[in-house]
Amino acid sequence: DGGITQSPKYLFRKEGQNVTLSCEQNLNHDAMYWYRQDPGQGLRLIYYSQIVNDFQKGDIAEGYSVSREKKESFPLTVTSAQKNPTAFYLCASKKDQGGTEAFFGQGTRLTVV
Amino acid sequence: RKEVEQDPGPFNVPEGATVAFNCTYSNSASQSFFWYRQDCRKEPKLLMSVYSSGNEDGRFTAQLNRASQYISLLIRDSKLSDSATYLCVVITITGGGNKLTFGTGTQLKVEL
Repeated sequence: DGGITQSPKYLFRKEGQNVTLSCEQNLNHDAMYWYRQDPGQGLRLIYYSQIVNDFQKGDIAEGYSVSREKKESFPLTVTSAQKNPTAFYLCASKKDQGGTEAFFGQGTRLTVV
Repeated sequence: RKEVEQDPGPFNVPEGATVAFNCTYSNSASQSFFWYRQDCRKEPKLLMSVYSSGNEDGRFTAQLNRASQYISLLIRDSKLSDSATYLCVVITITGGGNKLTFGTGTQLKVEL
């Protein structure tokens, strides 16, 4: 089945540790996105990438890093510089054409203690 | 000013009611618009695309007003199963690709 997979579903880390969230898609989509969602809030864009080896900062990129070495993969690293990393992280992908919908993974709930 | 703004609600309505949500966007160059639905603790899923000519899917009608820079969603004869958060999405083409910006979401609770 084609889709977008995020792993793990739940992740616990100690404060001060970097952590990498996985996002893989087999939809042959060019564009991939990372969002953060806090309780009762909307989705805020962290990073997005239109092509391999290129990515753009979103609205809240500080404390995060990404890579896009393969079309299928767009991992997100939450660094120790992120002041409040506990959140629900969602990855999405879409075709290159502007008017097409984005598909989401099931998300990763990160808790930093 | 936020790029995309929505009334967060919650909207508490009785079953069978008609309810309307609005969403405003600030970038006049934005090109594509969608409504997504998100159930509690789940990922968002596409509800419908939004066009200037308006589009209807059963009990749901979406409309885009480019001049006033807002999009709307109308739900008729609301069902208990419509209870969810509704997110508007605006796509803007940037130098780095298609930027998808979400509104904060409007929470709908349909009650007996």
